[in-house]
Amino acid sequence: EAGVAQSPRYKIIEKRQSVAFWCNPISGHATLYWYQQILGQGPKLLIQFQNNGVVDDSQLPKDRFSAERLKGVDSTLKIQPAKLEDSAVYLCASSWDYSYNEQFFGPGTRLTVL
Amino acid sequence: KNEVEQSPQNLTAQEGEFITINCSYSVGISALHWLQQHPGGGIVSLFMLSSGKKKHGRLIATINIQEKHSSLHITASHPRDSAVYICAVRGNTDKLIFGTGTRLQVFP
Repeated sequence: EAGVAQSPRYKIIEKRQSVAFWCNPISGHATLYWYQQILGQGPKLLIQFQNNGVVDDSQLPKDRFSAERLKGVDSTLKIQPAKLEDSAVYLCASSWDYSYNEQFFGPGTRLTVL
Repeated sequence: KNEVEQSPQNLTAQEGEFITINCSYSVGISALHWLQQHPGGGIVSLFMLSSGKKKHGRLIATINIQEKHSSLHITASHPRDSAVYICAVRGNTDKLIFGTGTRLQVFP
């Protein structure tokens, strides 16, 4: 089966610019996660979707970050405007359901904010 | 103090050596995951376990629930095993809590 797809793989922008990342989960997976991984740290959950509803966005900086999963399949994560500290790898993962299930990760998008 | 602690942070080994990476956690969990992350960012799930021991090829993962400790062992290590190994626990809220990872380099 095809894995989790993400694009772009790399993005370089200047601070105060906007950027969007796209994720297509494994077919049939109801739960989709966006993580932020700063260099040298473990991933941090930004937002979790169950189908097209938000389950947890407690660590999403809502003043600048937004995410949607309108049809319950693919998802976009946007940063507007970007700050230097947003430089990180943004990982998307999906699972069949949110409870006791293995998460499958995409290749990530490496964002550099100059 | 982090809820999930890994040791060592960095590890170098010669090809063929037996490797152990440790993970300790301080919260109640329903499962523990070992993940492998290669340069470039992609993460692969190696094991998900809630008790005992699991083996896959040259990789073995063990967990001791009473001691809140897990180990990942690699037998006959190879340069292609070079990666960051991340321990993550699924807490009572079903959220994954990640350790900061152990960077392993295996030299020929």
